[in-house]
Amino acid sequence: AQSVAQPEDQVNVAEGNPLTVKCTYSVSGNPYLFWYVQYPNRGLQFLLKYITGDNLVKGSYGFEAEFNKSQTSFHLKKPSALVSDSALYFCAVRDGGFGNEKLTFGTGTRLTIIP
Amino acid sequence: EPEVTQTPSHQVTQMGQEVILRCVPISNHLYFYWYRQILGQKVEFLVSFYNNEISEKSEIFDDQFSVERPDGSNFTLKIRSTKLEDSAMYFCASSAEPLEQYFGPGTRLTVT
Repeated sequence: AQSVAQPEDQVNVAEGNPLTVKCTYSVSGNPYLFWYVQYPNRGLQFLLKYITGDNLVKGSYGFEAEFNKSQTSFHLKKPSALVSDSALYFCAVRDGGFGNEKLTFGTGTRLTIIP
Repeated sequence: EPEVTQTPSHQVTQMGQEVILRCVPISNHLYFYWYRQILGQKVEFLVSFYNNEISEKSEIFDDQFSVERPDGSNFTLKIRSTKLEDSAMYFCASSAEPLEQYFGPGTRLTVT
């Protein structure tokens, strides 16, 4: 079984401040981890992924995420928030085993950047 | 930049009717997926499709659901006899490899 937890429904950050959106996961095999962003009336847009290798992965729009195996976490970060970063963010996990393709999503975190 | 497209954007149907939701995946992608999101809930996996057959499906994807790739570009989800609880946003996704999936804008299905 695979699962994702996003402990914060809402995160508010002042423009220009660093932001963190938290995610923890559970899988039986190797985790493949993803972040997606959803703007109003739009689909899910892929931001970044961790499959293997360097624990710090960089993605679109200046976002990065750090894989921490011991804490089973994959927190999304950005050094300096923009108002345009305001959106709904989803963490997702997939068991890296062969034949398993489904993504399991968290409940989402609404990020609001305050000007 | 290539995108997944979905039609219609909103479908209203009566309980018991059949609906077909359509998707055009990114052209060189080989893996196709359907997910749904009931209002206020998390995005849930329905089915994955590769090499013209279902490769994985969830417990939600029962006999009322079917998928098809009728030609080289379209990927469809059919619900044979809709129920009120099928009301949701349905997302199609595609991927070149079974790694990151690219999602369409969704079809909002309302069953009355």
